[in-house]
Amino acid sequence: AQKVTQAQTEISVVEKEDVTLDCVYETRDTTYYLFWYKQPPSGELVFLIRRNSFDEQNEISGRYSWNFQKSTSSFNFTITASQVVDSAVYFCALSVDRGSTLGRLYFGRGTQLTVWP
Amino acid sequence: DTAVSQTPKYLVTQMGNDKSIKCEQNLGHDTMYWYKQDSKKFLKIMFSYNNKELIINETVPNRFSPKSPDKAHLNLHINSLELGDSAVYFCASTQFLGGGYGYTFGSGTRLTVV
Repeated sequence: AQKVTQAQTEISVVEKEDVTLDCVYETRDTTYYLFWYKQPPSGELVFLIRRNSFDEQNEISGRYSWNFQKSTSSFNFTITASQVVDSAVYFCALSVDRGSTLGRLYFGRGTQLTVWP
Repeated sequence: DTAVSQTPKYLVTQMGNDKSIKCEQNLGHDTMYWYKQDSKKFLKIMFSYNNKELIINETVPNRFSPKSPDKAHLNLHINSLELGDSAVYFCASTQFLGGGYGYTFGSGTRLTVV
């Protein structure tokens, strides 16, 4: 069975602080994909990143960076120098490369990030 | 050119009514999904269709009936609406076969049952 755990329900920081959102996943499949989505107050789901299980390279995109570690089954997300516009719910998700699941996403319960000015 | 469009964006209705939510994608994807987001923001799969064929039905009450007239459309019909059906419903699509798992979500339909 697949499972994604985001242990941090809510995080509050002050602008310009760095913040890391944790994601731990469980799967027995060897081929899988990990995702992060942002859901701002407006409600849409905004795609941030996709990583496949064979690519453990960390990634940086502007103020965003992701740390994928298979040894600890974690895919953590760091925002550097946070801004008020980063306030949102962030979801980590997993899909596996198996026909029976048809690529469905298994979501964590999300982390509400609030950045105060 | 909206890639995945859902209508309506908001739906307020009374208990016991029947309502439909429509979803269309113009990406040529072969797989479409309905996800439900509850009041605690938890996102859960409801249905998955591949080329008009129902593949996943995730223990959803029979009052929910998805219909896919073609692979670009996946509609959700809900009978005898209950208060607990109030949620945000997201449609999504992907190219499952050889597609590399690029998902596209619609903007969501907020259903309120009163």
